[in-house]
Amino acid sequence: QSALTQPASVSGSPGQSITISCTGTSSDVGSYNLVSWYQQHPGKAPKLMIYEGTKRPSGVSNHFSGSKSGNTASLTISGLQAEDEADYYCCSHAGSGTYVFGTGTKVTVL
Amino acid sequence: QVQLVQSGAEVKKPGASVKVSCKASGYALTSHHIHWVRQAPGQGLEWMGLINLSGGGTSYAQRFQGRVTVTRDTSTNTVYVEVSSLISEDSAVYYCATEPTGTGGCDHWGQGTLVTVST
Repeated sequence: QSALTQPASVSGSPGQSITISCTGTSSDVGSYNLVSWYQQHPGKAPKLMIYEGTKRPSGVSNHFSGSKSGNTASLTISGLQAEDEADYYCCSHAGSGTYVFGTGTKVTVL
Repeated sequence: QVQLVQSGAEVKKPGASVKVSCKASGYALTSHHIHWVRQAPGQGLEWMGLINLSGGGTSYAQRFQGRVTVTRDTSTNTVYVEVSSLISEDSAVYYCATEPTGTGGCDHWGQGTLVTVST
């Protein structure tokens, strides 16, 4: 099972919107609505930002949103803020109870 | 509120095994999975496997089949991951995390356990 493909880095100015893509295959992202997104700050455990492709856990800001088209899922951060600077990972169910993470994207707020 | 508390850091020699624990508290996790995820220094997240707390069923990433075992002790609400035949590339922070079954999202995470494999 290969890691899902994400851009290594994405940057934007405060207030701008950015989108992080997560490309898999018809065996993972394309087959299941079980895509999640995690934010990780240095030295910290990951934090769930989106689950089931589009749903936000309680307490997560609504300037984070998720979507999916075919084999590619996306995370959009609207109104970029300084505290959004972190690493972001997608994760998808890949069949038979297994999961696979993306390669990770470093978000920089300029 | 769910809390996951993991065991402390470990230093192991190549070829040895390591067993990391994850104790859950807060409320009964009968409808949850516990996932194990690791992160090597400076690298990304890697999914290892999970256990279904309601039935005890497990699943593993293909690359860890036969070398990683996830178990549970229902009497203490503790889950374990054991990695055998350790190599230097197994040096990483190991995390446990809970997923409400069927959501695919891990909403609570342990603090992480650093495992160092070194001669």
